[in-house]
Amino acid sequence: QVQLVQSGAEVKKPGASVKVSCKASGYTFTNYDINWVRQATGQGPEWMGWMNPNSGKTGYAQKFQGRFTMTRNTSISTAYMELSSLRSEDTAVYYCAREVISMDAFDIWGQGTMVTVSS
Amino acid sequence: DIQMTQSPSSVSASVGDRVTITCRASQGISSWLAWYQQKPGQAPKLLIYGASSLQSGVPSRFSGSGSGTDFTLTISSLQPEDFATYYCQQANSFPRTFGGGTKVEIK
Repeated sequence: QVQLVQSGAEVKKPGASVKVSCKASGYTFTNYDINWVRQATGQGPEWMGWMNPNSGKTGYAQKFQGRFTMTRNTSISTAYMELSSLRSEDTAVYYCAREVISMDAFDIWGQGTMVTVSS
Repeated sequence: DIQMTQSPSSVSASVGDRVTITCRASQGISSWLAWYQQKPGQAPKLLIYGASSLQSGVPSRFSGSGSGTDFTLTISSLQPEDFATYYCQQANSFPRTFGGGTKVEIK
């Protein structure tokens, strides 16, 4: 079945970096954009950025410019996001989500990765 | 950035009730709007895209309407499995933005 499976929970200290993976299966990885969305406890989702896995082209929310990077490895159908200079406010569940261009909506989501930033 | 404002923030309803949730965009977004349902501990689930198109597999009791700045999500007859938080999201421009959510609770 079509799914996105993310890497496990992370605990990081302030100032560190975190890298989360998102492995796609059940569809052609390069045919759909991947987005990253995060959600702090009790808050609404917050969009972080998108990537075209075929070209590698990316677009990031200005809020995260300079410390957020999306990459991919097409040979293993996996997307990655890396967030650096972590602070406590970055504590959240991070989701990858597939975007269907014809819908302009996120139809498949990963299970989420909890990232905790604490000293 | 386009701000998405949902109302109400929470609603108490009974099984069988009709529930309507509204979402207002700070500027016109045509029909570039999606609705998601989220249950505790789960990822959001796509219900509606293009303001009114039902995602495959989603029950027909869910419907969406609107264009421009004002949108609604309607659940025609609330079922036990519909108690959840609902979010709207605009896809007109970057950055994509979500509403603050509407929690549908059991009355």
